[in-house]
Amino acid sequence: AQSVTQPDIHITVSEGASLELRCNYSYGATPYLFWYVQSPGQGLQLLLKYFSGDTLVQGIKGFEAEFKRSQSSFNLRKPSVHWSDAAEYFCAVGNYGGSQGNLIFGKGTKLSVKP
Amino acid sequence: DAGVIQSPRHEVTEMGQEVTLRCKPISGHNSLFWYRQTMMRGLELLIYFNNNVPIDDSGMPEDRFSAKMPNASFSTLKIQPSEPRDSAVYFCASTLAGEETQYFGPGTRLLVL
Repeated sequence: AQSVTQPDIHITVSEGASLELRCNYSYGATPYLFWYVQSPGQGLQLLLKYFSGDTLVQGIKGFEAEFKRSQSSFNLRKPSVHWSDAAEYFCAVGNYGGSQGNLIFGKGTKLSVKP
Repeated sequence: DAGVIQSPRHEVTEMGQEVTLRCKPISGHNSLFWYRQTMMRGLELLIYFNNNVPIDDSGMPEDRFSAKMPNASFSTLKIQPSEPRDSAVYFCASTLAGEETQYFGPGTRLLVL
């Protein structure tokens, strides 16, 4: 069965420090992978996505993620965290083709940023 | 461009009452998704439509939940009768088939007392 695991429920980093949020997936075929961010009281906003090609993808707000097939991972990184990055981050996997379109989401990682 | 629009943003109701949540997808999008988000279960897909036709409703919790999409620009999620355990944030998302990226609305925060 398809699944997404985000091992860290809550992470706290200092402003200016680097960040890595982990995501592991279980999927039978080549997955489509996404990272979304949710600020308090808001909907989910797409940060970046991977479909094929270069395994290092760049997203908005200075985020990047690397697809590693051998590790079934799609970790999100940012070299220097800003206080405004405090939010909850969701990794998702999808399979597309024809009429299918549903995403499987991880449980999320809440990021807190210390001044 | 307007994003996905959901109404109401907040709803407080009493157990047993009917609740109707509304969603207007992004113009031109032909797939629409309803999700529920709770602390315990995270984000769960309830149902999704392609070209106004329900494709997968296996996530709908029980018969108390129903969803419709009468046209390409409007969908409803109805709970009748509502129960306290239905309290959650309900999100609507839309996409254009082939584009693969889902765009989420701001959500409806439902509290059933």
